[in-house]
Amino acid sequence: QVQLQESGPGLVKPSETLSLTCAVSGYSISSGYYWGWIRQPPGKGLEWIGSIYHSGSTYYNPSLKSRVTISVDTSKNQFSLKLSSVTAADTAVYYCARDRDGFATSFDIWGQGTMVTVSS
Amino acid sequence: DIQMTQSPSSLSASVGDRVTITCQASQDISNYLNWYQQKPGKAPKLLIYDASNLETGVPSRFSGSGSGTDFTFTISSLQPEDIATYYCQQYDNLPPTFGQGTKLEIK
Repeated sequence: QVQLQESGPGLVKPSETLSLTCAVSGYSISSGYYWGWIRQPPGKGLEWIGSIYHSGSTYYNPSLKSRVTISVDTSKNQFSLKLSSVTAADTAVYYCARDRDGFATSFDIWGQGTMVTVSS
Repeated sequence: DIQMTQSPSSLSASVGDRVTITCQASQDISNYLNWYQQKPGKAPKLLIYDASNLETGVPSRFSGSGSGTDFTFTISSLQPEDIATYYCQQYDNLPPTFGQGTKLEIK
């Protein structure tokens, strides 16, 4: 079955760039679907960050757009998130997910999530 | 952005109870609404899509209804494994937005 797995540093310094990767298994990204990133600050709700298609087309949450880059590597069957100029407010669990029904619609398969703390 | 408001924020109920959560959108979203279940320390799980369609493998005690701005999520007979936080999410307009969550506890 389709599985997603996030990876990346758990600690990032303020003003630096957060970088995460989501490895997809059980399905070839090149075959279709959209793929997204969602985050959840400790004890808080869910915030969609952005989504990407295998062609590389992206859409970002306007609230984060100036700092976000999502890219896809079909040869490695993975997609990545970069968030620049991080602050403590970016501390959160970051999830990657399959965006099933189109751009930013229904997230039906999720990774387990990875906690990223922004601190010096 | 479309604001999604859930009520209540928390709910305590007994096993076997019928549980209802509501979600209100700040503007008409047709039926472009999902419901997710999140257990502590776990990723959210999609339960219902398009307001009323049950995701494959989800027990039939879960259901959803509504359209426009007002939506309802129901558990017909609460089970101990249903303890979780539930979120609604709209995808009529970008960016997709989530409700603040409803934490469900066993009485």
